[in-house]
Amino acid sequence: EPEVTQTPSHQVTQMGQEVILRCVPISNHLYFYWYRQILGQKVEFLVSFYNNEISEKSEIFDDQFSVERPDGSNFTLKIRSTKLEDSAMYFCASFLTGGEMSGANVLTFGAGSRLTVL
Amino acid sequence: GQNIDQPTEMTATEGAIVQINCTYQTSGFNGLFWYQQHAGEAPTFLSYNVLDGLEEKGRFSSFLSRSKGYSYLLLKELQMKDSASYLCAVRSGTDYKLSFGAGTTVTVRA
Repeated sequence: EPEVTQTPSHQVTQMGQEVILRCVPISNHLYFYWYRQILGQKVEFLVSFYNNEISEKSEIFDDQFSVERPDGSNFTLKIRSTKLEDSAMYFCASFLTGGEMSGANVLTFGAGSRLTVL
Repeated sequence: GQNIDQPTEMTATEGAIVQINCTYQTSGFNGLFWYQQHAGEAPTFLSYNVLDGLEEKGRFSSFLSRSKGYSYLLLKELQMKDSASYLCAVRSGTDYKLSFGAGTTVTVRA
């Protein structure tokens, strides 16, 4: 079964350092997302990406965050200068299509990248 | 924005039935989803409703009333492996993003 792949599974970094989290969405999917989940809290939307541009971002997704789809397969989340409160599990997700075909299409999540900021 | 409410915790006995309620307020509603999440793992899809009524999928069923902004997930014949967090999520907007509730932790006891 097709899956969303994320690397690294766990990254430990020092406060102030830059971090890049990588994702390979399901190959024929068109919509891409980043979510985060702080330990013990709910899954929070960060950003959605469609047609090579950001379609929506949350208040959490401030100037220190950026996303890129540098080639036909990878989708990255960069945190420019990490803070202690960025420690969380970051989930990448992808979705096949929207409009009339959105129907029962399911948002599929990767296994997540756990970021620990010291 | 979205406002999604579900109970924090529920406990049930192996073999029993548990119903997890979810209420929501949203604009541009485009479907209600239930996901299961085990600790430290990603959410995995369980069930989906876009029209009013009951959707049955094996031991899991989900119900939706759009006029009431209400859904429930019914878990039947509970097994120990069903101990997990159950996330209610609403899909909305032109980007089809999901907004999640805080999750209901279900503990199944022998």
